[in-house]
Amino acid sequence: GNSVTQMEGPVTLSEEAFLTINCTYTATGYPSLFWYVQYPGEGLQLLLKATKADDKGSNKGFEATYRKETTSFHLEKGSVQVSDSAVYFCALRTLEYGNKLVFGAGTILRVKS
Amino acid sequence: EAGVTQFPSHSVIEKGQTVTLRCDPISGHDNLYWYRRVMGKEIKFLLHFVKESKQDESGMPNNRFLAERTGGTYSTLKVQPAELEDSGVYFCASSQVRVAEAFFGQGTRLTVV
Repeated sequence: GNSVTQMEGPVTLSEEAFLTINCTYTATGYPSLFWYVQYPGEGLQLLLKATKADDKGSNKGFEATYRKETTSFHLEKGSVQVSDSAVYFCALRTLEYGNKLVFGAGTILRVKS
Repeated sequence: EAGVTQFPSHSVIEKGQTVTLRCDPISGHDNLYWYRRVMGKEIKFLLHFVKESKQDESGMPNNRFLAERTGGTYSTLKVQPAELEDSGVYFCASSQVRVAEAFFGQGTRLTVV
């Protein structure tokens, strides 16, 4: 079946540090890959996505590249801000699985000033 | 345009009681999804409506959970009777078509004591 594994948190960084949150997946078929973010007190928001191998999704300074050979979709940002503090969820979706989103467990990011 | 709205934002009930969660999707979105995050683990799919019909309810944990979508507009998720393990955050999402981006609500935090 489909599954997503992401690094456990919390991840605590100082402002302007480099961020990587690892995400690997197992899927039947050809998944689309997503990163969602939940800021404190808010709902889940789509941060970025990639729909085929070697695609790079990007938004708000965050990037992730769809790596089929390593079944990975790691989230990166070159310089984090305090406002990036949130919970980040990696997710996938496949036609074979009815287009339901399958999420990882989430990674808490805390950025200190 | 209003986003996906969920009521209540928090609910604390005793074991054995009944709770009803409500989701108002974005107007015009035929697809409505319920997901749940238990104990800081991964967000898991519960069910999917297309208009008023249940398209996929494979994620519903047991028959204590009943979801409805009257007239293809808002949806309710009733838990009766609630058990301790039902505690978690219940998310609702909607999309215009199944393969389009799903927009999430803020979630309802349910605590069963």
